[in-house]
This record gives sequence, structure tokens and C-alpha cells, in this order.
Amino acid sequence: AQSVTQLDSQVPVFEEAPVELRCNYSSSVSVYLFWYVQYPNQGLQLLLKYLSGSTLVKGINGFEAEFNKSQTSFHLRKPSVHISDTAEYFCAALIQGAQKLVFGQGTRLTINP
Amino acid sequence: DAGITQSPRYKITETGRQVTLMCHQTWSHSYMFWYRQDLGHGLRLIYYSAAADITDKGEVPDGYVVSRSKTENFPLTLESATRSQTSVYFCASSESGMAIYGYTFGSGTRLTVV
Repeated sequence: AQSVTQLDSQVPVFEEAPVELRCNYSSSVSVYLFWYVQYPNQGLQLLLKYLSGSTLVKGINGFEAEFNKSQTSFHLRKPSVHISDTAEYFCAALIQGAQKLVFGQGTRLTINP
Repeated sequence: DAGITQSPRYKITETGRQVTLMCHQTWSHSYMFWYRQDLGHGLRLIYYSAAADITDKGEVPDGYVVSRSKTENFPLTLESATRSQTSVYFCASSESGMAIYGYTFGSGTRLTVV
């Protein structure tokens, strides 16, 4: 069965510091991978996705993620965070040929001034 | 405005009552989904629909009923609400074969069962 694990439920960082949000997936078949962001009291927005090709994927708001097949990981990074990045971040996976996204538990990113 | 709309945004109901959460999309997307969001669990799929009159269970379907008589609407009904169904509910949609481009989500319905 496919599953997605986000290793940190909460990540506090200082403004302008770098951040990495970790995501691991388990699947015996090829998957597509996504990061979504949820700002307070809002729905989810697509941040970036990995479908194929280059393992480094760039998304909106300066975020990027790296697909590592050998480690079954898809960690999200930003070199310098801002207060406005305070949100919950969800990693998700989609098995090739399927239509259902499987989400991780979410990581709450808190930016301290 | 085009998009995916959920109503109501907030709802308080009593245990045992029936409540229906509405979801409406304007793109004519084939697929629609209902997720619930709970602390520590992320988003879990309740039900989904591949087209009008085609629905299927997700990970946590017990206590919920869905219907899809029209492509644009996908209501979720709690037949007899329980406190464990207190949650934030998200509706999403995607075009057939286009899930690789991600889903589009509604703004959510925060449901409290007292």
C-alpha cells in the first residue's frame, strides 16, 4: 500500500533562516509527488510537483524540492524564509495511472521574527 | 466566479442530526473528492467520484454518504453526526487523467458536532 510520511509535525525557524521539511513515501510502483501549502483558514494550494525528469523541482514562493528515488524522499527546502511562509505544508503522492492523492500528516511551519 | 465552492464555511450541529456539506465546481471536472483534515492525520479521503452517478469509498467512508447526480455537484451527508466527525472537510476536483497536475481544492467547511 502506498503511504506518505512527513517526519516533523512542527518546524519552528527564525525569519531569513533556511528550512527543510521532510517527506518520505513508500510505494512499489512509480509515483508522482506533490507539495501543497495551506495558509491559515484557507484551502490547499499546489506548491510544486515532481512528474519526471530533473530531480530538483522549483515551485512558487522560492520553494524547491528534490526527488531522491533511492531514499524514497521528496524533501521541501527554502534557503530563506519569511513570516508569510507560516503555514501547514502537505506532501502527497499519486500512483501512476491512479487518480487518488495520498497525503502525509502535514508539517506546521512557524516563522519567528 | 469560476472555481470550487464549499458551503457552509462553518457549521455547528448536534449529535445524531443529519447534515449535508455542499461542493460545487464550475470546470466540469470529471473527478471530485472529499477529504477530512484532522490534527495528526493530515488529509484522509472519505469518498470520491469519477463521474456523475459513479462514486467509490476512500479510506474513511463510515458514517458518510455521497451522491453525484450532476457533474458539478458532490454533496457529502453525515446521516447521524457523531463527535468524532468534528473536522475540517475539503472538497477537491481534477480532470480525468489530469490528476498529475494536482487537484484544485475548495476553502473547506469546519464542522463541529456537539
